Amino acid sequence: QKEVEQNSGPLSVPEGAIASLNCTYSDRGSQSFFWYRQYSGKSPELIMFIYSNGDKEDGRFTAQLNKASQYVSLLIRDSQPSDSATYLCAVNRGIVGGYNKLIFGAGTRLAVHP
Amino acid sequence: GAVVSQHPSWVICKSGTSVKIECRSLDFQATTMFWYRQFPKQSLMLMATSNEGSKATYEQGVEKDKFLINHASLTLSTLTVTSAHPEDSSFYICTPRGPGTEAFFGQGTRLTVV
Repeated sequence: QKEVEQNSGPLSVPEGAIASLNCTYSDRGSQSFFWYRQYSGKSPELIMFIYSNGDKEDGRFTAQLNKASQYVSLLIRDSQPSDSATYLCAVNRGIVGGYNKLIFGAGTRLAVHP
Repeated sequence: GAVVSQHPSWVICKSGTSVKIECRSLDFQATTMFWYRQFPKQSLMLMATSNEGSKATYEQGVEKDKFLINHASLTLSTLTVTSAHPEDSSFYICTPRGPGTEAFFGQGTRLTVV
């Protein structure tokens, strides 16, 4: 079992719709969860992070965490073609030097069509 | 805050030569450094972590004698790929961490070994 699992996609949604991206993780001890967006050929960009069960909203993005189910998701409201990218879920596997050691899922490719 | 500069952005080298990749934190002191690599269409794989002034800790399966990491200062860390071979061709990305910073990535270095 992979430590962090994501559906590879592509997930295709029409412009203006809500895109829902899912991630499951295997380590019950994980405490910190991150979502990154990666455009082709570029480095990942941090979208948001979540530490507590429930929802966390930031603009058009909402992260949802359910530690009991070992599940974290990202909702993108009012999806735009510019949101088309690969979305990476990352989970901490311990701490190094006081900072999260992040393990990444394989990513879900999102395609937003006009 | 958390401006990260990685250099070079791309490099082509001959098989058997060594390549040095630099990662600089421009507006904060990076006490801890994480190095990742990403093969085409795959996710980020953690290679090693280092604390300033200490030896790096390598993930299982990563050869420490092949991937030399130096973290001698709080603003600069280097990754040297020694005796590079075509299978080392990958996208190498750093994440320097310091107090008050989140996990932002450098721009990445695309290494092609011919």
